[in-house]
Amino acid sequence: AQKVTQAQTEISVVEKEDVTLDCVYETRDTTYYLFWYKQPPSGELVFLIRRNSFDEQNEISGRYSWNFQKSTSSFNFTITASQVVDSAVYFCALSAFYSTSGTYKYIFGTGTRLKVLA
Amino acid sequence: DTGVSQDPRHKITKRGQNVTFRCDPISEHNRLYWYRQTLGQGPEFLTYFQNEAQLEKSRLLSDRFSAERPKGSFSTLEIQRTEQGDSAMYLCASSLDRLGNQPQHFGDGTRLSIL
Repeated sequence: AQKVTQAQTEISVVEKEDVTLDCVYETRDTTYYLFWYKQPPSGELVFLIRRNSFDEQNEISGRYSWNFQKSTSSFNFTITASQVVDSAVYFCALSAFYSTSGTYKYIFGTGTRLKVLA
Repeated sequence: DTGVSQDPRHKITKRGQNVTFRCDPISEHNRLYWYRQTLGQGPEFLTYFQNEAQLEKSRLLSDRFSAERPKGSFSTLEIQRTEQGDSAMYLCASSLDRLGNQPQHFGDGTRLSIL
């Protein structure tokens, strides 16, 4: 079965603190893709990053960094020096192959609401 | 690139009425997806199109739901005989994609409230 678990429902931090959002996934496929999306209060999901299952290299983009570890089936997201504008719901998603349809399909986690307090 | 647009942003209707939502994807994108999102949950897949062909429908999509993408451009999602449980945010996304493993670009969604 394909599954994405974001165990942290809500996190509150004070501005400038670092925060890590956890994502654990399950899949039997050897080829899959992992994504992070941000959903601000306005509602539109904004794509942040895509990782394929063969690339475990961690990535840093400004204040954002991602740690992909196949051994623990985790794809965690860290925001360094958080800002109030980072307040949003963050979703982790898995794109896995479904043999019945011959295509990949997204499965989203339940999201982590991040509140950054000034 | 004007992004994915959805219309209306909000829809309030009485139980039993029919509603129709529209999604205009990013112009060159061949894939279009519909999702439903309820409070505290992630988006749940409903259906998707590759060009004008509807290739997959979720079991969540009951017979009261129908989606079309007549010319491979915009899409409509219709819900007939609405029920309380249909209250949700309906999200549309598009991608330029052959397999379905590319980033999807989402619209702002249509929030449906059933009275």
